Amino acid sequence: SQQGEEDPQALSIQEGENATMNCSYKTSINNLQWYRQNSGRGLVHLILIRSNEREKHSGRLRVTLDTSKKSSSLLITASRAADTASYFCATDAIGGSRLTFGEGTQLTVNP
Amino acid sequence: GAGVSQSPSNKVTEKGKDVELRCDPISGHTALYWYRQSLGQGLEFLIYFQGNSAPDKSGLPSDRFSAERTGGSVSTLTIQRTQQEDSAVYLCASSLGARGHTDTQYFGPGTRLTVL
Repeated sequence: SQQGEEDPQALSIQEGENATMNCSYKTSINNLQWYRQNSGRGLVHLILIRSNEREKHSGRLRVTLDTSKKSSSLLITASRAADTASYFCATDAIGGSRLTFGEGTQLTVNP
Repeated sequence: GAGVSQSPSNKVTEKGKDVELRCDPISGHTALYWYRQSLGQGLEFLIYFQGNSAPDKSGLPSDRFSAERTGGSVSTLTIQRTQQEDSAVYLCASSLGARGHTDTQYFGPGTRLTVL
């Protein structure tokens, strides 16, 4: 199966609520990145967390990384309708030759 | 500055025809990637160019697919004898390439290919 797998596949919340998406992977990594995609077009880089980091913040985004469990989570606080998009994790595996993207979580924030 | 651009934005073709998709990376970026994304799915890696090194073609699904990058800048992805299963969004990304796959990738808007 995929190196990076997100769950849930789809998440629907109300504006103002927090959204949490998870990513699990199988092999040891150098870093893990989160990307956002609107309307099936280009992806936009959100945040990168290195394997020796446990938590990172950027605005309303908080990313955690647990290398012992090979998992990461992306938390979006105080969500807005404009946060509606698909969110992908991408792993840079040690000894790997490319970033591997997961299947994504489709987030819908209802106004 | 300008981001990654791709053309055309949409392409409709008939089964069996050849298509060419173009990607203009960000100036100065030495790494260039092509991905394919089927509806509602994740990104499927196709090919990776890094500077003057031989490209990593390991993701190309068949010999109908090929890509080149001229002068270390513009890249063209060619699909010969298109099949209906080739219908997807083709995404191009570029990165500085200085730190390999750690670098942030900057994506173009994609080309939506529909094979009838």
